[in-house]
Amino acid sequence: RKEVEQDPGPFNVPEGATVAFNCTYSNSASQSFFWYRQDCRKEPKLLMSVYSSGNEDGRFTAQLNRASQYISLLIRDSKLSDSATYLCVGGNSGTYKYIFGTGTRLKVLA
Amino acid sequence: NAGVTQTPKFQVLKTGQSMTLQCAQDMNHNSMYWYRQDPGMGLRLIYYSASEGTTDKGEVPNGYNVSRLNKREFSLRLESAAPSQTSVYFCASSESPTESRGRGYTFGSGTRLTVV
Repeated sequence: RKEVEQDPGPFNVPEGATVAFNCTYSNSASQSFFWYRQDCRKEPKLLMSVYSSGNEDGRFTAQLNRASQYISLLIRDSKLSDSATYLCVGGNSGTYKYIFGTGTRLKVLA
Repeated sequence: NAGVTQTPKFQVLKTGQSMTLQCAQDMNHNSMYWYRQDPGMGLRLIYYSASEGTTDKGEVPNGYNVSRLNKREFSLRLESAAPSQTSVYFCASSESPTESRGRGYTFGSGTRLTVV
């Protein structure tokens, strides 16, 4: 079992839709989590950190469920420009070995 | 702001050739990393440097060496390239993990390496 697992998708959604991705992690010691966005043939860019209490940044909401060991990303009012691959990252702050998921591909359709 | 700069952007090598990938950051970050990204495998850590003067192996270090030349620069060397090293290589930097909560990594734009 991979330490961080994501559904590869693609998730094809119409513009304006709400879409959610989950990511499961197997290491219960993991403390720090992030969502990154990666456009085709580009580098990953930090989208948002995931805090225990959940956090929101505009149309994006991230949640952490420690009991079930998953994190989620919710995108409301999807835009064409949201089309990308979303990478889930988990690890132990204080170490250097963050583990990246393989990514979930999102396509927002006009 | 340049952020993290990687060179070259593209490279084709013959099996057995050597090369060095260069990475430099201008954000005064303490920690630097080399990852490779392969289809279906995600990003995998090759080597990292927690701070100037230190380097450590990551998940997939075999066939690679690194040098932390100074605080800004962290290079990755392939001594004898193999087709299995065909990949996209990303350099990244961060403040130390205990300081970087919430700020994650900054990645360079990547090097596309093909070994034939």
